Amino acid sequence: GQQVMQIPQYQHVQEGEDFTTYCNSSTTLSNIQWYKQRPGGHPVFLIQLVKSGEVKKQKRLTFQFGEAKKNSSLHITATQTTDVGTYFCAGQWGAQKLVFGQGTRLTINP
Amino acid sequence: NAGVTQTPKFRILKIGQSMTLQCTQDMNHNYMYWYRQDPGMGLKLIYYSVGAGITDKGEVPNGYNVSRSTTEDFPLRLELAAPSQTSVYFCASSGQVNEQYFGPGTRLTVT
Repeated sequence: GQQVMQIPQYQHVQEGEDFTTYCNSSTTLSNIQWYKQRPGGHPVFLIQLVKSGEVKKQKRLTFQFGEAKKNSSLHITATQTTDVGTYFCAGQWGAQKLVFGQGTRLTINP
Repeated sequence: NAGVTQTPKFRILKIGQSMTLQCTQDMNHNYMYWYRQDPGMGLKLIYYSVGAGITDKGEVPNGYNVSRSTTEDFPLRLELAAPSQTSVYFCASSGQVNEQYFGPGTRLTVT
């Protein structure tokens, strides 16, 4: 079946440092979504990217969708302790169901 | 709106027992989903439904059953529980916009 590979699996940063997680598919995606899951919590929708080369920003978070629609990234500028959690990408191919990546767990040293 | 609610929050089952995980949404969403999340892993789709009376298998359906008699409710049934079903179970729903809203989850341990 279709898969999305997400790297890195873990990232530990000092507060104030930047953080990036990457998501890759071997085939062209229809769209990609990003979710955040706080420790012990449930996934919460962040954003959906649909267009080739799309870039969207939410405050310190920048989301990109590659030109070929096979990869995506989430970049957090100047991390804060509230950014702790696991970030998941989820890819969709046509009308198929979402397929989640394994997630990148972000921990922050205050 | 309460969003997506799940009960119970925690449950311990013995091998071979059965149980039903409840999921209800009050957003009038047509699409509903059941996922399991194993420690340190992503979400695996168990079953989904595109509307009342319609269900379909996801990636890991074995050992589970679902029904969708109303738009609001999407219970997940575990028959003959096995240790491999120890996991956190999330129910989610989505409307036309495609983003999924998740419930708080049920932590299930099978011993």
